[in-house]
Amino acid sequence: AQTVTQSQPEMSVQEAETVTLSCTYDTSENNYYLFWYKQPPSRQMILVIRQEAYKQQNATENRFSVNFQKAAKSFSLKISDSQLGDTAMYFCAFTPYNTDKLIFGTGTRLQVFP
Amino acid sequence: DTAVSQTPKYLVTQMGNDKSIKCEQNLGHDTMYWYKQDSKKFLKIMFSYNNKELIINETVPNRFSPKSPDKAHLNLHINSLELGDSAVYFCASSQQRTSGNTIYFGEGSWLTVV
Repeated sequence: AQTVTQSQPEMSVQEAETVTLSCTYDTSENNYYLFWYKQPPSRQMILVIRQEAYKQQNATENRFSVNFQKAAKSFSLKISDSQLGDTAMYFCAFTPYNTDKLIFGTGTRLQVFP
Repeated sequence: DTAVSQTPKYLVTQMGNDKSIKCEQNLGHDTMYWYKQDSKKFLKIMFSYNNKELIINETVPNRFSPKSPDKAHLNLHINSLELGDSAVYFCASSQQRTSGNTIYFGEGSWLTVV
């Protein structure tokens, strides 16, 4: 079975600091995609960043970057210079190469303090 | 303009009732989805449609019946509502049924069954 595990139910960080959210996944596939989605209190699911498994270079989007370790099946999200607006649930998700179905982890609630 | 819009955003109803949630996307996408987020925030796919054709049905009870009158709309009808149906239901869309495509989510419809 393909699963996504987020071992940190809650995290907190002070404004302007850096925080890393963990994600591991289990699959026998060699090609797939990984995502981080953000769900603020408004509930809207917003794509933060996407990584293609066959690309060794870690994806970055402004203050957001990932550490993708394919052999370890690890996909952590680093948020630099945290802002109050980063407060949200963060979901790690996985899509096998031959489907468009997103498989989500259980989420990490991130609180950014002033 | 909202890319993926759902109505209603909030719905409180009694057990045994039948209700519908409507979804429309104005992105010109071919593929639409319904995801369910339970009380523990766990997100799971329910259905996907591609150009009005059902593609994914994730062992959802047949009380749930999606209908896609055209590729811009995907409605969800639920018969004989049960307490366990209480959840947030997200509609989503993507350009094609291709792994790795960005999936755009609506704001969710919060269903409470009493």
